[in-house]
Amino acid sequence: GQQVMQIPQYQHVQEGEDFTTYCNSSTTLSNIQWYKQRPGGHPVFLIQLVKSGEVKKQKRLTFQFGEAKKNSSLHITATQTTDVGTYFCAAREIKTSYDKVIFGPGTSLSVIP
Amino acid sequence: DTGVSQDPRHKITKRGQNVTFRCDPISEHNRLYWYRQTLGQGPEFLTYFQNEAQLEKSRLLSDRFSAERPKGSFSTLEIQRTEQGDSAMYLCASSIGPGLIDNEQFFGPGTRLTVL
Repeated sequence: GQQVMQIPQYQHVQEGEDFTTYCNSSTTLSNIQWYKQRPGGHPVFLIQLVKSGEVKKQKRLTFQFGEAKKNSSLHITATQTTDVGTYFCAAREIKTSYDKVIFGPGTSLSVIP
Repeated sequence: DTGVSQDPRHKITKRGQNVTFRCDPISEHNRLYWYRQTLGQGPEFLTYFQNEAQLEKSRLLSDRFSAERPKGSFSTLEIQRTEQGDSAMYLCASSIGPGLIDNEQFFGPGTRLTVL
């Protein structure tokens, strides 16, 4: 079955440093979504990518979808303590017989002030 | 509050007991998802509904688990004969579907199940 992998599992950065997490799928994706989960909270939607090679920005966050639609990345510029949390990619694969949403294991970000 | 709500927020039960959780999605959302999340892991897909129809069910879901959405609004997830391995956070999410481009999923606060 489909597998979604994320690296790194953990990342500790000094406030102001950049951060990147990578998401890889074993199959071609229809779209990919990114979520953030604060400690003790529930996942909150950040963005959705649909097109091959798509790049979207939200303030200090940059999201990319690979040309082959099998990988994606999230880059945070100049991290702040408010960026602390776990970042999940969620891969959606649609076939004629099923429609699944698979979350990656997440990258946990710690920001040292 | 117009977000996704879940009840109860916490449930402690003894092994072998049955438990039932409820999820109330955002009112105009026709898709409803159930996930299970354990510490340090991402949400694990269990099942989803479009309106009242259960369209997909994870093979990881044993026959002790059953979910319903009888009127296409709220949903219940029942676990029969609970086991200690069932201890987890059970998350519900809703979204607008169908279509190739799925809108974002809105998550509820979750029900934390502890099986003693």
